[in-house]
Amino acid sequence: DAMVIQNPRYQVTQFGKPVTLSCSQTLNHNVMYWYQQKSSQAPKLLFHYYDKDFNNEADTPDNFQSRRPNTSFCFLDIRSPGLGDAAMYLCATSTLAGGPNEQFFGPGTRLTVL
Amino acid sequence: GQNIDQPTEMTATEGAIVQINCTYQTSGFNGLFWYQQHAGEAPTFLSYNVLDGLEEKGRFSSFLSRSKGYSYLLLKELQMKDSASYLCAVMDSNYQLIWGAGTKLIIKP
Repeated sequence: DAMVIQNPRYQVTQFGKPVTLSCSQTLNHNVMYWYQQKSSQAPKLLFHYYDKDFNNEADTPDNFQSRRPNTSFCFLDIRSPGLGDAAMYLCATSTLAGGPNEQFFGPGTRLTVL
Repeated sequence: GQNIDQPTEMTATEGAIVQINCTYQTSGFNGLFWYQQHAGEAPTFLSYNVLDGLEEKGRFSSFLSRSKGYSYLLLKELQMKDSASYLCAVMDSNYQLIWGAGTKLIIKP
């Protein structure tokens, strides 16, 4: 089945220790998104890629970086995690080829910062 | 600024009908989405409206009025598994989704 996969599902890191979250997709969608979602809040868009064009949201902290080496994979790097970065990180994909262009989400990675 | 408003929490009874409202103010409009999100899980797509009117999909229906900046999600014949958060999101002129904070729906037997 075509899908969006995120690894790991649960990640524990220490304050200030770099961490990388990964996302892969078999949908062949040209757009990929990274969201941060805290409990009972709306998903907050961090970045998105339209093909290889990288788009950084204005209020995304410099502590967050992203890479998309090819169509299928996208990575979120948190260089120095703080306690406030504990959240669910959601990867999503879509295609802007017409139609609803709904976003398909992976299962998310829940990040805990100790 | 861009804004999506929906109630924080609603309670309904199994077998009943519930309507979750969403109002929006965005820069441009390229459609409105409803997503369902169970606790600790990712959002899953429920419906999409881009023209005024009602879209029906099984037990779920979604309505849009662009002139009023208003939508609702109607859930019929509620089941316990419908207990979840329901997120309203609007695609703006840049094709970005502006998200509401979600409505937590609690279903009681």
